[in-house]
Amino acid sequence: LAKTTQPISMDSYEGQEVNITCSHNNIATNDYITWYQQFPSQGPRFIIQGYKTKVTNEVASLFIPADRKSSTLSLPRVSLSDTAVYYCLVGVLNYGGSQGNLIFGKGTKLSVKP
Amino acid sequence: ETGVTQTPRHLVMGMTNKKSLKCEQHLGHNAMYWYKQSAKKPLELMFVYSLEERVENNSVPSRFSPECPNSSHLFLHLHTLQPEDSALYLCASSIGTSGGLQYFGPGTRLTVL
Repeated sequence: LAKTTQPISMDSYEGQEVNITCSHNNIATNDYITWYQQFPSQGPRFIIQGYKTKVTNEVASLFIPADRKSSTLSLPRVSLSDTAVYYCLVGVLNYGGSQGNLIFGKGTKLSVKP
Repeated sequence: ETGVTQTPRHLVMGMTNKKSLKCEQHLGHNAMYWYKQSAKKPLELMFVYSLEERVENNSVPSRFSPECPNSSHLFLHLHTLQPEDSALYLCASSIGTSGGLQYFGPGTRLTVL
């Protein structure tokens, strides 16, 4: 099972780019990497997902090196409303009929200051 | 915005009570999940249902009993809980059961006295 490791917390200022790295040394061939954002008293919200190289959407980019043992979530020009906990999720369920697993990291608490 | 609703939002129960948590998704998804989120712990996957059939059970204690009567509804029946079961219980749904893009509900904050 892929275990993930993230920094517990990060601080940033409005307008800066924030990069949060997740380590997943035991990632399996079929595992995808997914990032979620969670505000207090709410369920997590999907941000981005990738398998390898780089993925970009309207809110973030995800960088995955060739060995896939880590991934970096990049948030461009953060604002105060980006203050939240960010979770890295690695795994896949039921690929090819066999049971896998989904492992959430402990999350990175991002604090954006004015 | 979320197409996943959960009721109740807050629940306080004694250890001898029996209660149920309800989840409903309006997204047309065919997989639903129960997660437990304790303070200072990562989300723990409890159950996964695909097309009303359970496909994953991560050794959850039998005092938690899931039920999925159809692809839109998911229940978590609770009985004889312990104080350490106090947590935020989150429901999620997805199109497939690969664990990809999941849509989460707001959660039920459970307190066991």
